[in-house]
Amino acid sequence: AQTVTQSQPEMSVQEAETVTLSCTYDTSESNYYLFWYKQPPSRQMILVIRQEAYKQQNATENRFSVNFQKAAKSFSLKISDSQLGDTAMYFCAFMVSTSGTYKYIFGTGTRLKVLA
Amino acid sequence: NAGVTQTPKFRILKIGQSMTLQCTQDMNHNYMYWYRQDPGMGLKLIYYSVGAGITDKGEVPNGYNVSRSTTEDFPLRLELAAPSQTSVYFCASSYAGHAFFGQGTRLTVV
Repeated sequence: AQTVTQSQPEMSVQEAETVTLSCTYDTSESNYYLFWYKQPPSRQMILVIRQEAYKQQNATENRFSVNFQKAAKSFSLKISDSQLGDTAMYFCAFMVSTSGTYKYIFGTGTRLKVLA
Repeated sequence: NAGVTQTPKFRILKIGQSMTLQCTQDMNHNYMYWYRQDPGMGLKLIYYSVGAGITDKGEVPNGYNVSRSTTEDFPLRLELAAPSQTSVYFCASSYAGHAFFGQGTRLTVV
């Protein structure tokens, strides 16, 4: 079975500090894509960062970066210089092709609260 | 460029009623998906489609039906609404490992 596990239901961080959100996944496929999505109270799904599994270099987007460990099937998100606007639910997901069909698998999310 | 558009944004249904959630995309993507998100949970796949005329069940298809007569449209049908179907529903499309989500539909069954 293909699964995504986010073991931290809730986290908090002080404004301007750094926080890391954990994500592990399980798949037998070798080619896939990994994602972190942010979901604010508006419930819109906002793409934070995307990683292609065949790329060894960790993706970065401004204050957001990932630590991608393919052998360990780990894909953590680091948020630097946390801002109040980062308060949201964060979902880890991966997209994998099974029998020629691409599917998205989501984790259960981590609720992040940035404290002033 | 509208992306993925879902209607309605909110809906309250009575038990046993039926309705269709509309989803349309203007990016000519072959892949489209329907997910539900229960409170405090992640997204679970209901149905997906790899192209016009082709649909398949996801993780939680019971109580739902879909059709894909065109590339653009992928409606989700609830035939006999039940309280367990109270959720937020997301439609998405994807291409080459990039996914695009609609704004979601909050459905309450009472």
